[in-house]
Amino acid sequence: GENVEQHPSTLSVQEGDSAVIKCTYSDSASNYFPWYKQELGKGPQLIIDIRSNVGEKKDQRIAVTLNKTAKHFSLHITETQPEDSAVYFCAAPPALGNTPLVFGKGTRLSVIA
Amino acid sequence: GAGVSQTPSNKVTEKGKYVELRCDPISGHTALYWYRQSLGQGPEFLIYFQGTGAADDSGLPNDRFFAVRPEGSVSTLKIQRTERGDSAVYLCASSLTSGPYGYTFGSGTRLTVV
Repeated sequence: GENVEQHPSTLSVQEGDSAVIKCTYSDSASNYFPWYKQELGKGPQLIIDIRSNVGEKKDQRIAVTLNKTAKHFSLHITETQPEDSAVYFCAAPPALGNTPLVFGKGTRLSVIA
Repeated sequence: GAGVSQTPSNKVTEKGKYVELRCDPISGHTALYWYRQSLGQGPEFLIYFQGTGAADDSGLPNDRFFAVRPEGSVSTLKIQRTERGDSAVYLCASSLTSGPYGYTFGSGTRLTVV
């Protein structure tokens, strides 16, 4: 089955700096890679995703890059703000059946004002 | 409704008791997923439904855990003879169809077994 590993587990950055979170996956046939943001007391919320037919996708201050050869994908947040502080999860589906999503263990991002 | 609703938001129960956790998915979403999240960990898959049937229950840890979705909408996760190790946040998500796209999560039920 799919195995998703995520690092770092914690990350602190100064407000305005960039943050990068990386994930690797095991199933080379996986074709969809979402990122979720979880704030305290809430469920994870989808913030950006990428499909395997592209290498990069941007949405304002966030971007995701995908390297299928190396089986890893990364979340990039630029010009970080205090409200970016949260736990971020990457995920990937198993190639067989494409469901359900398998999540990484999460990265706690702290943006220091 | 506007989002996925889970009730109760918090549940404290004594070891050995039976509990039910409820999930109201977004109207029209045919797929519904249950995950469990322990402190400092990512969501771990338990079971998912496509319509009324359990399409994959491979994540249920043992036979004390059971889930139903009798009318293809509301789902109930049932835990018998609770143990302290069952303490976690139980998350429910729904999506329009089965597949990995567009999961909308509820805020979860925090279960504490004392």
